Amino acid sequence: LAKTTQPISMDSYEGQEVNITCSHNNIATNDYITWYQQFPSQGPRFIIQGYKTKVTNEVASLFIPADRKSSTLSLPRVSLSDTAVYYCLVAGYALNFGKGTSLLVTP
Amino acid sequence: NAGVMQNPRHLVRRRGQEARLRCSPMKGHSHVYWYRQLPEEGLKFMVYLQKENIIDESGMPKERFSAEFPKEGPSILRIQQVVRGDSAAYFCASSPRQGIGDTDTQYFGPGTRLTVL
Repeated sequence: LAKTTQPISMDSYEGQEVNITCSHNNIATNDYITWYQQFPSQGPRFIIQGYKTKVTNEVASLFIPADRKSSTLSLPRVSLSDTAVYYCLVAGYALNFGKGTSLLVTP
Repeated sequence: NAGVMQNPRHLVRRRGQEARLRCSPMKGHSHVYWYRQLPEEGLKFMVYLQKENIIDESGMPKERFSAEFPKEGPSILRIQQVVRGDSAAYFCASSPRQGIGDTDTQYFGPGTRLTVL
């Protein structure tokens, strides 16, 4: 399984753009990059998935450089409700979540 | 379309008892995955099932734990003779398919919080 590395925590103010970068140096050719969000006492919620270049949906954007050894989740104009743990995963079906990035959004 | 359903949401057992956790996948999903999350930790993969088949149980403890996904009804994660170390949140996820060499999005349920006294 490709190992991922992401910051343990990040702080942001409301309204700012937040970028969380994940390193996955040994990503396999067939691996997709998936990001999940988890609130306390809830199951992870799918945010976005991509293979290469840029993917955008109504919630976030995902930037993947050509070498695919890293990826950046971009959350535009965060609100207090975006305070959560964000997980970057690179794998097949056996997802193993690390400790993720704990994002704290304050007024 | 209802999401992944898990029940019970909270389960309390005494040491030595059995715990049965149920998971109903999203409509149209035939692939089920079970994960365990210990306090302050990320989720860890336990087992991957399709209808009537265990595809990968490499993350399951060798003893006391078993899982099934029958032709009819929910998937069941069964823990026999529970010990305090089994206290955790157990999450189920489902996906509509699993292609070879790619990842299909897994949708997670709300989890079952097991407390062993």
